[in-house]
Amino acid sequence: QVQAVQSGAEVKKPGSSVKVSCKASGDTLSSYTINWVRQAPGQGLEWLGMIIPVVDVANYAQKFQGRVTFTADKSTSTVYMELSSLRFQDTAVYYCACGIGGAPEFWGQGTLVTVSS
Amino acid sequence: EIVLTQSPGTLSLSPGERATLSCRASQSISNNYLAWYQQKPGQAPRLLIYGASSRATDIPDRFSGSGSGTDFTLTISRLEPEDFAVYYCQQSGSSPWTFGQGTKVDIK
Repeated sequence: QVQAVQSGAEVKKPGSSVKVSCKASGDTLSSYTINWVRQAPGQGLEWLGMIIPVVDVANYAQKFQGRVTFTADKSTSTVYMELSSLRFQDTAVYYCACGIGGAPEFWGQGTLVTVSS
Repeated sequence: EIVLTQSPGTLSLSPGERATLSCRASQSISNNYLAWYQQKPGQAPRLLIYGASSRATDIPDRFSGSGSGTDFTLTISRLEPEDFAVYYCQQSGSSPWTFGQGTKVDIK
């Protein structure tokens, strides 16, 4: 059973950046893709993109291109999502979700990012 | 970008009843890469169905998925108390992956 544990809640000012971590259990990063999905308060789910850690290839949703970066540290089985130029509308719970193929099965617990002045 | 439209927005049913949820895509989803998730308040989504009709690990057989192309259905044969939640469809046939807006199944 794969487990993904995310870093804690963050409060950031508009224009700043946030970096959220997702630590996966076992040998997850050698076999799985890691997706990032967010959910604004009371809203639906939105995909930011994915990273394939074993080959260090990332695919970003065009909406976030240039503003989001995914990185992987295979030595610690940790993946990072950094979102820059934060806006109030970026306030959301950010999830990492691990899987093989297009339907990630193992989700982190979520990280609340609040953008507030 | 593929737009997924779920209907109805809310489904009010009683335990033991059958639930039928619809997900319609703005264009055909390649290889039927359509998944369904269940989400309860304060929790991460839980994968139920992938590839339009395959149940994920440990998902009860009262959940079933069907459909192809642009029209997909999630059926819950007999609602259990723990099934009252929000359900999302999601496509990964083309980038960007997209989700439907969700269907809430609540207790009548």
